[in-house]
Amino acid sequence: QTVVTQEPSISVSPGGTVTLTCALTSASVSTSYYPSWYQQTPGQAPRTLIYNTNTRSSGVPDRFSGSILGTKGALTITGAQADDESDYYCVLYMGSGISMFGGGTKLTVL
Amino acid sequence: EVKLLESGGGLVQPGGSLRLSCAASGFTFSDYPMSWVRQAPGKGLEWVSSSGSGGGQWYAESVKGRFAISRDNSKNTLYLQMGSLRAEDSAVYFCVRRDNNGYLYFDYWGQGTRVTVSS
Repeated sequence: QTVVTQEPSISVSPGGTVTLTCALTSASVSTSYYPSWYQQTPGQAPRTLIYNTNTRSSGVPDRFSGSILGTKGALTITGAQADDESDYYCVLYMGSGISMFGGGTKLTVL
Repeated sequence: EVKLLESGGGLVQPGGSLRLSCAASGFTFSDYPMSWVRQAPGKGLEWVSSSGSGGGQWYAESVKGRFAISRDNSKNTLYLQMGSLRAEDSAVYFCVRRDNNGYLYFDYWGQGTRVTVSS
């Protein structure tokens, strides 16, 4: 069974740079999976950050960037701010109308 | 402005049924694929089902055979008919628009409606 995996939790210092990754148990992540990234704070609906691997959604600050790093999708935050403390989810499109979410990464800024 | 407003959530007994609705506005509903995504209490997001603009339907294995997605383009409304409900179906259910430019991502989210399956 294919699973999308993310780091359960990561910490970053204010102003620092952090990379969150998105992996597949059964294959390498490539642009063919159209990786997208979402930010969610408690009690709120998710917000779309990145789509098509590296395109920022409207209004998303340029400190957020997406890429493929080796065999994984990646979300990098450069110059982390306190209000970046959130849960982050990646999504991969698996074909045939099916999307799969990663388990999410809880980012702490401290 | 794109708006997605879910309704129909509530408390239902195990084995029961419930129908969720999502009223869409601010865009040409019939042009867009639409999806349901859920989040169990304290857990991550899970894709549940999608409805293509051309009429196809797709389901997560966890709900296949129990849930049915449909849409009424004349009413700009998406539905999720849920049956044989289990405790593990308890979650906030989000109505989500999928991009229609071929980038296959979720571009707009509703605020969600809560479903609790309990006796």
